[in-house]
Amino acid sequence: GAGVSQSPSNKVTEKGKDVELRCDPISGHTALYWYRQSLGQGLEFLIYFQGNSAPDKSGLPSDRFSAERTGGSVSTLTIQRTQQEDSAVYLCASKRPGAAHQETQYFGPGTRLLVL
Amino acid sequence: RKEVEQDPGPFNVPEGATVAFNCTYSNSASQSFFWYRQDCRKEPKLLMSVYSSGNEDGRFTAQLNRASQYISLLIRDSKLSDSATYLCVVFTGNQFYFGTGTSLTVIP
Repeated sequence: GAGVSQSPSNKVTEKGKDVELRCDPISGHTALYWYRQSLGQGLEFLIYFQGNSAPDKSGLPSDRFSAERTGGSVSTLTIQRTQQEDSAVYLCASKRPGAAHQETQYFGPGTRLLVL
Repeated sequence: RKEVEQDPGPFNVPEGATVAFNCTYSNSASQSFFWYRQDCRKEPKLLMSVYSSGNEDGRFTAQLNRASQYISLLIRDSKLSDSATYLCVVFTGNQFYFGTGTSLTVIP
């Protein structure tokens, strides 16, 4: 498909376990964003990757959260020692290069994480 | 102060009605502006970009007032399928800032 894909679509885990969430951006999109959306809440920015530049990690809520982007394409968001408050939908979005701020971002379907 | 603020609603309107949503943003250096639509349990999808000159796409009209740091979305002749949450989005620096969304339900 041509869109952003994410896996798994749903994840149920026990408190204290680690989880990995994957995002495949649209081919050729150099910018990749991770967000979190809790039930009934707005989107919370987590981290931003742009090409080979150092990522903007300013939105990560704690050091239990980390993300990588290998080869400028696929990204993995890792949450260590999950807590119940980590339960949310984790959304990935990508944006193409070039016209910079005039280009919007396209979202994947999200991963619904439930920490028991 | 939040980067983007919206009235959460809910707005419940009859089919055929005209409804307007408003949004304010706090950073005068913000560069680009968008309205997204989010259906229940789905990801946000771009509805339209917003320009200072105003822009229209069918029944939807968006306006930007940079002096007042205010963005609006007007939906005319509401359809049942317009029921969704509408997110105001502002691009500043390298980041997109999202409002919490305005809920719209169009009633038969």
